[in-house]
Amino acid sequence: EVQLVESGGGLVQPGRSLRLSCAASGFTFDNYGMHWVRQVPGKGLEWVSGLSWNSGSIGYADSVKGRFTISRDNAKNSLYLQMDSLRAEDTAFYYCAKGSLPSRNRDYFDHWGQGTLVTVSS
Amino acid sequence: SYELTQPPSVSVSPGQTASITCSGDRLGDQSVCWYQQRPGQSPVMVIYQNAQRPSGIPERFSGSNSGNTATLTITGTQPMDEADYYCLAWDSSTAFYVFGTGTQVTVL
Repeated sequence: EVQLVESGGGLVQPGRSLRLSCAASGFTFDNYGMHWVRQVPGKGLEWVSGLSWNSGSIGYADSVKGRFTISRDNAKNSLYLQMDSLRAEDTAFYYCAKGSLPSRNRDYFDHWGQGTLVTVSS
Repeated sequence: SYELTQPPSVSVSPGQTASITCSGDRLGDQSVCWYQQRPGQSPVMVIYQNAQRPSGIPERFSGSNSGNTATLTITGTQPMDEADYYCLAWDSSTAFYVFGTGTQVTVL
């Protein structure tokens, strides 16, 4: 059974940093692209970032480019999102999602974690 | 930027058919996926590659995609189908994934 468990969310002041983690199990992690998707409470879904199986291809939404960094450690079956220069508008649930292909492109997200809430406020 | 537009809400009686549309420029040239999100839960994929149903998803869920519109159809809607539904597509011009605006399905 595929399991994705996010951690690292919490309350952080504007301008500060936070690192999210996603622990994966139940599948061969280094065979698939992985993604982060966020959702402001009560609002819609927004793709944040994704990377290919070997981190050779990485993409970011314009809203986070230059501030967020996605990475993975295939030896640890883990996905990360380093979030710097956080803003109030980054407040959201952050979901880890598994792709169905090794690449990060032209794919879909077949499994999701339960999400972790990030609140950016002073 | 590429946009996918969905109706904000759809109401359906139990046992009837609900149709949820997702509109975008030349969307029929893309592969569309649909997600169901019940209150307080994570999204669950109900349709991928326009019309494919993942294992464990009931047969009452079906999808199509042509022209500028993709459609998710729930035939014989059950009260448990009450949820928000989102479409997803890849925008090749920006190399971004784009979600639809979301549709709240109410089973009255």
